[in-house]
Amino acid sequence: DTEVTQTPKHLVMGMTNKKSLKCEQHMGHRAMYWYKQKAKKPPELMFVYSYEKLSINESVPSRFSPECPNSSLLNLHLHALQPEDSALYLCASSRTMNTEAFFGQGTRLTVV
Amino acid sequence: GESVGLHLPTLSVQEGDNSIINCAYSNSASDYFIWYKQESGKGPQFIIDIRSNMDKRQGQRVTVLLNKTVKHLSLQIAATQPGDSAVYFCAEKRDFGNEKLTFGTGTRLTIIP
Repeated sequence: DTEVTQTPKHLVMGMTNKKSLKCEQHMGHRAMYWYKQKAKKPPELMFVYSYEKLSINESVPSRFSPECPNSSLLNLHLHALQPEDSALYLCASSRTMNTEAFFGQGTRLTVV
Repeated sequence: GESVGLHLPTLSVQEGDNSIINCAYSNSASDYFIWYKQESGKGPQFIIDIRSNMDKRQGQRVTVLLNKTVKHLSLQIAATQPGDSAVYFCAEKRDFGNEKLTFGTGTRLTIIP
């Protein structure tokens, strides 16, 4: 099983809404990542969790709040987003931070 | 500063031919490189990786070449098929500590039937 599962696949939210993106893997990976990808651009790293602890925060605005409840789950809580936050949000996991990362299919987020 | 760039943003190849996608990196400290394939509407898919102690690594129909002297990476795809049409990203990081993976700008490969 090399699958990273993200839900929902699509999300439309208003600027005053609170929503959460979810990511799950059962590969025993201990590093999990959130990336943001705009159209025709490469993925940009947002957060890295290593052994359930936040390891890297790429100066992401506080309206994005990550959470790693356990080694299999990664959430991204969204609050008071802006239309420019509309993007494909990708979750990935890897055995450690020094091995290849496997990506989920992403959540297409639209902020209206 | 660190940057990973690709020489060509688009590449069209006849089905059955071989394709070569190039990538330049500027951080000489980078020692772990990954190629990803991303099809429309999907997440990046791991293709192959290589560490700096190797010059070449082969997978199924794919070969990655690393030239550390000129900081250049290439992905060769043999006998291309329509399913190879996608955007290909190279990514790099330093292979120790809590270093982030940095993606290049991507090359769109189109296989012509």
